[in-house]
Amino acid sequence: QVQLQESGPGLVKPSQTLSLTCTVSGDSISSGLYYWAWIRQHPAKGLEWIGHIYYSGGAYSNPSLKSRVTISIDTSKNQFSLKLNSVTAADTAVYYCARRDYAIFDPWGQGTLVTVSS
Amino acid sequence: QSVLTQPPSVSAAPGQRVTISCSGSSSNIGNSFVSWYQQLPGTAPKLLIYDNNKRASGIPDRFTGSKSGTSATLGITGLQTGDEADYFCGTWDSRLSAGVFGGGTKLTVL
Repeated sequence: QVQLQESGPGLVKPSQTLSLTCTVSGDSISSGLYYWAWIRQHPAKGLEWIGHIYYSGGAYSNPSLKSRVTISIDTSKNQFSLKLNSVTAADTAVYYCARRDYAIFDPWGQGTLVTVSS
Repeated sequence: QSVLTQPPSVSAAPGQRVTISCSGSSSNIGNSFVSWYQQLPGTAPKLLIYDNNKRASGIPDRFTGSKSGTSATLGITGLQTGDEADYFCGTWDSRLSAGVFGGGTKLTVL
């Protein structure tokens, strides 16, 4: 059974960089069968796709966030990571990692709340 | 403002049927498969339906999906109190080059 688990600080100061890691178990991110994605959910609001990465390192991010987003992958640890720089209160959200197969996101990690506050 | 449009809420009595709509455009729903996700309170979204109308593993046949043109619909029959959740539609938008979701619909089973 494939499982994903997000980890990282729950509190980030404004203007700093949000850093999260997703650890995958039960599947190899090197298989080449899927992309590995980040999605966030603002409080009491809808879902926003942040971006995804392929095992080869090719990454793609939401044009609305592109200049601030870096997604990387470590196949040796079966992990992929998200960095979002110059954060503001508007970046406060629950961040999820998920396995992506075209338009399908499944499964999802449990999510981690990141609050941007001084 | 979400790219895909869903009603904020729907409600129905136990045992009844409900439908949730998801409206998009030619660059997203009209050009790609649609998925549906169920988010129970305090949990992560879970895949219900993919490729417009295929049920994910373990999902009962009370849940159905359909698509016509630039709109999609999730149907739930034999409503149970355990179905109370937020439901999201999602797809890929070729114009935005981004994954897109609806704003979510809160289902209340009265």
